[in-house]
Amino acid sequence: QKEVEQNSGPLSVPEGAIASLNCTYSDRGSQSFFWYRQYSGKSPELIMSIYSNGDKEDGRFTAQLNKASQYVSLLIRDSQPSDSATYLCAVKTGGFKTIFGAGTRLFVKA
Amino acid sequence: EPEVTQTPSHQVTQMGQEVILRCVPISNHLYFYWYRQILGQKVEFLVSFYNNEISEKSEIFDDQFSVERPDGSNFTLKIRSTKLEDSAMYFCASLREGNTGELFFGEGSRLTVL
Repeated sequence: QKEVEQNSGPLSVPEGAIASLNCTYSDRGSQSFFWYRQYSGKSPELIMSIYSNGDKEDGRFTAQLNKASQYVSLLIRDSQPSDSATYLCAVKTGGFKTIFGAGTRLFVKA
Repeated sequence: EPEVTQTPSHQVTQMGQEVILRCVPISNHLYFYWYRQILGQKVEFLVSFYNNEISEKSEIFDDQFSVERPDGSNFTLKIRSTKLEDSAMYFCASLREGNTGELFFGEGSRLTVL
């Protein structure tokens, strides 16, 4: 059974701090990795994708991938109250499907 | 900006009734998906659809479920005889061919089975 594991949180950080979110996956053959943000009652929204080992930066977001450790992370710099949401780690398996972790709830305190 | 649209946004039905959820994927996308999310739980893969056939399905997607692309734009999920445990948010998503997996989600259809 292919799995994606995340700490459910909640993770609470003060405004302006760095939020660090982590994820591990079980399928060593996975090649595509994603972070989605989901506000309560809304659909997942893609914020980052990463396909090769290392870091990928997009604005305040940095995704990190370590395939040897089967580990993906997301850093959010200068966290804002509007970043408060559930962050979903997702992994595209070798077939046609993308599977999601249960998500980490992030609270950014003003 | 192109988007995935879903109807209805909310449907309430009696147990045992048939339900059809509709989706219009982004027009140049070729892979289509249904996911569901039971309240407070994870987003779960149901089925993927490509070239007018199911390409992959999960163990959740049993004989009560079916998908169809009846015309060039709509993609539907049918639940033949709803159960209480089918109550969830159902998300349609689409993917452009050659893309490495970035799913675009619709706003979801909330199904409540009484």
